[in-house]
Amino acid sequence: EPEVTQTPSHQVTQMGQEVILRCVPISNHLYFYWYRQILGQKVEFLVSFYNNEISEKSEIFDDQFSVERPDGSNFTLKIRSTKLEDSAMYFCASRAGANTEAFFGQGTRLTVV
Amino acid sequence: AQRVTQPEKLLSVFKGAPVELKCNYSYSGSPELFWYVQYSRQRLQLLLRHISRESIKGFTADLNKGETSFHLKKPFAQEEDSAMYYCALRGSQGNLIFGKGTKLSVKP
Repeated sequence: EPEVTQTPSHQVTQMGQEVILRCVPISNHLYFYWYRQILGQKVEFLVSFYNNEISEKSEIFDDQFSVERPDGSNFTLKIRSTKLEDSAMYFCASRAGANTEAFFGQGTRLTVV
Repeated sequence: AQRVTQPEKLLSVFKGAPVELKCNYSYSGSPELFWYVQYSRQRLQLLLRHISRESIKGFTADLNKGETSFHLKKPFAQEEDSAMYYCALRGSQGNLIFGKGTKLSVKP
């Protein structure tokens, strides 16, 4: 069964460093998402991406964040200068069409020290 | 405002007991609601969506627009049902808006 895969599973980075989280969505999917979950809190929407551009972003997704689909298969989330409060699980999701279910990756745990 | 509320952080029941995980939503328009489950160390998986009106693993959920609720129910809980359960609403831009989640613990 096809899956969304995310790498790495755990990333530790120093405050102020740039980090790139990688996702490979399911191959025929068209809509891509990043969510995050701070420990003990709910899953929060960050950004959606469709047709090679951001379609929607939340207040959390400020200028420090960017997304890219560089090669038609990977979907990356970059945090330019990490802060302690960026520590969270980051989930990638994809779906095939407007009314289809979203499939989630297993998540990347980002720890900023 | 688009919001999902799950009032219970933890729900603990004995095997064979009925389970109801509560979910209320706030949405202006016709809502599309989901239940996602996350078993220990696994990814979020779709359990139910209200438009399909099916029963998965014995769970059902009915959308009640009058009460703005989408509670998840199962008549007889099993130990393997122990997991985190998230209620989610499809937002106006297609993204999912999640509740805080309820941890279901089914004791033998």
